[in-house]
Amino acid sequence: DAKTTQPPSMDCAEGRAANLPCNHSTISGNEYVYWYRQIHSQGPQYIIHGLKNNETNEMASLIITEDRKSSTLILPHATLRDTAVYYCIVRGNDYKLSFGAGTTVTVRA
Amino acid sequence: EPEVTQTPSHQVTQMGQEVILRCVPISNHLYFYWYRQILGQKVEFLVSFYNNEISEKSEIFDDQFSVERPDGSNFTLKIRSTKLEDSAMYFCASSEWGRDEQYFGPGTRLTVT
Repeated sequence: DAKTTQPPSMDCAEGRAANLPCNHSTISGNEYVYWYRQIHSQGPQYIIHGLKNNETNEMASLIITEDRKSSTLILPHATLRDTAVYYCIVRGNDYKLSFGAGTTVTVRA
Repeated sequence: EPEVTQTPSHQVTQMGQEVILRCVPISNHLYFYWYRQILGQKVEFLVSFYNNEISEKSEIFDDQFSVERPDGSNFTLKIRSTKLEDSAMYFCASSEWGRDEQYFGPGTRLTVT
């Protein structure tokens, strides 16, 4: 699976959009981009995934660049409960998810 | 909303003892997984399981580990002879199909003394 690069941490103001970047320059054509988050040692929580097209669900939006070398997870209106570690994972034909260090997002009131 | 459950939430055991961690995956899911997270470290994949067989395993998943689906609802991880370094949070996950999104349980904290 392709390696991902995320900033180690970022702050966000409550009520504002949080834009979380991820670089995956070695992604190959059949690999998906997945986003998970982990709130304080709880089990990782699935957020969203995509292949080429932008995706949106009730939690977030995923914007993937046309060359697929990077993506951005958007939390449209961050709340204090969105404080978590966010993981960007590129996944091909494996069953496993390979977690990195992720981005620690702190939402401030 | 269906969820993955795990028991116990915390297990303390002595080095050399056997432990069994239990998970109830989401009922219509066919693929099951175990991950672990040592305190302060990354979440690491251990094993995936489908149709009563291991489909993929990591280097961590050595002969000390085994998995089983003893009935139609439970999925277990057994560690035969625990070591201090097995102390970690163990997460069970399930997915409807093999490459779908995985849904994680709340974890079992295993402490080996």
